[in-house]
Amino acid sequence: QVQLQESGPGLVKPSETLSLTCSVSGGSISSHYWSWIRQPAGKGLEWIGRMYISGSTNYNPSLKSRVTMSLDTSKNQFSLRLSSVTAADTAVYYCARDRSSESYGFDYWGQGILVTVSS
Amino acid sequence: ETTLTQSPAFMSATPGDKVNISCKASQDIDDDVNWYQQKPGEAAIFIIQEATTLVPGISPRFSGSGYGTDFTLTINSLESEDAAFYFCLQHDNFPYTFGQGTKLEVK
Repeated sequence: QVQLQESGPGLVKPSETLSLTCSVSGGSISSHYWSWIRQPAGKGLEWIGRMYISGSTNYNPSLKSRVTMSLDTSKNQFSLRLSSVTAADTAVYYCARDRSSESYGFDYWGQGILVTVSS
Repeated sequence: ETTLTQSPAFMSATPGDKVNISCKASQDIDDDVNWYQQKPGEAAIFIIQEATTLVPGISPRFSGSGYGTDFTLTINSLESEDAAFYFCLQHDNFPYTFGQGTKLEVK
């Protein structure tokens, strides 16, 4: 059974960079695309982007200029960096596994981590 | 970008009921819709793939229908454990987009 667990600071200051890590167990990070999704309180889910082991990425155009993703095969983890954050970036952040190396949506999700942007 | 309009946002039903949740796309997305169930503090569970196919291990009380722009998640013989947040996802084109979700209460 594949399990994903998000980790990182729960509080980030405005203008700084939000950094999160997703630890994967029960499966290799070297297959599938790996995605980040977020949900601000009271709002809908927003897909941030995804990355494949080859380095191939797809990003949401609304966030593309501020997003960096990376994979660490030695730790079976993948990471998100979101720069120049504002209060609008306050959200629950989820990591998820895409169902394949194609585009079929997600089959496994993490529980999510709340990140608050505040001074 | 494909917008998914999901309704209702909230619904309350009784055990044994049949419930339908709608997800309408702003453009034709074939059958590229998945449905998920999420309970507070838990990871989302993948329940329906490609609009109509039940994910292995999911109760057959769940079913999906639709193609093109109109999609429906149906839960038959509602049970108390079905109380959750349900949402649709389109994976036809980038960026992936989601419906706003439906909070289902089981009285």
